[in-house]
Amino acid sequence: SQTIHQWPATLVQPVGSPLSLECTVEGTSNPNLYWYRQAAGRGLQLLFYSVGIGQISSEVPQNLSASRPQDRQFILSSKKLLLSDSGFYLCAWRSAGGPQTQYFGPGTRLLVL
Amino acid sequence: AQKVTQAQTEISVVEKEDVTLDCVYETRDTTYYLFWYKQPPSGELVFLIRRNSFDEQNEISGRYSWNFQKSTSSFNFTITASQVVDSAVYFCALSLKTSYDKVIFGPGTSLSVIP
Repeated sequence: SQTIHQWPATLVQPVGSPLSLECTVEGTSNPNLYWYRQAAGRGLQLLFYSVGIGQISSEVPQNLSASRPQDRQFILSSKKLLLSDSGFYLCAWRSAGGPQTQYFGPGTRLLVL
Repeated sequence: AQKVTQAQTEISVVEKEDVTLDCVYETRDTTYYLFWYKQPPSGELVFLIRRNSFDEQNEISGRYSWNFQKSTSSFNFTITASQVVDSAVYFCALSLKTSYDKVIFGPGTSLSVIP
């Protein structure tokens, strides 16, 4: 069966510091991968998605970037965090091709102080 | 434009009551998919159901049931005999054939089941 991991689970970082959140998927090959942010309140905002190694689509221009160095690894980064980057970051995957369901990881809670 | 509306921001029910969560969607596409996800306090989004636009058959899974009506662009979710473990935020979502990667989520409905 497929499993999706995210770490760290919780992170407190000062403004201006760098960020690296990691997401890995097990039990599947060539998945489509996604990064979402859920700010205060409940709305889910799609940040990036990737259909393959090195292929990144950005949905919202901002202080963040994403990379996919390996087939089942997706990384969310920032060179300098802003207060507004605080939130709950969710990684998701789905099988490539067709209307497959997105499955979500456990999330990372980021607090920027 | 595509949109998902969940007009109920917060709902509170007493345990064992039935509760229906409303979802209304907007799209001009003829092929699309609708989803419901549950987000418990732990934060992870848990997939509950997926329906395609050509299948209006209602579905029941244990205490959960879903009513899909294209005529009213609604995909409502009913929990029968609610339990405290049902307390969570529930999201309705829409995915279009033209862009499966860009799922459109509703704002969510926070359900509290009081013992």
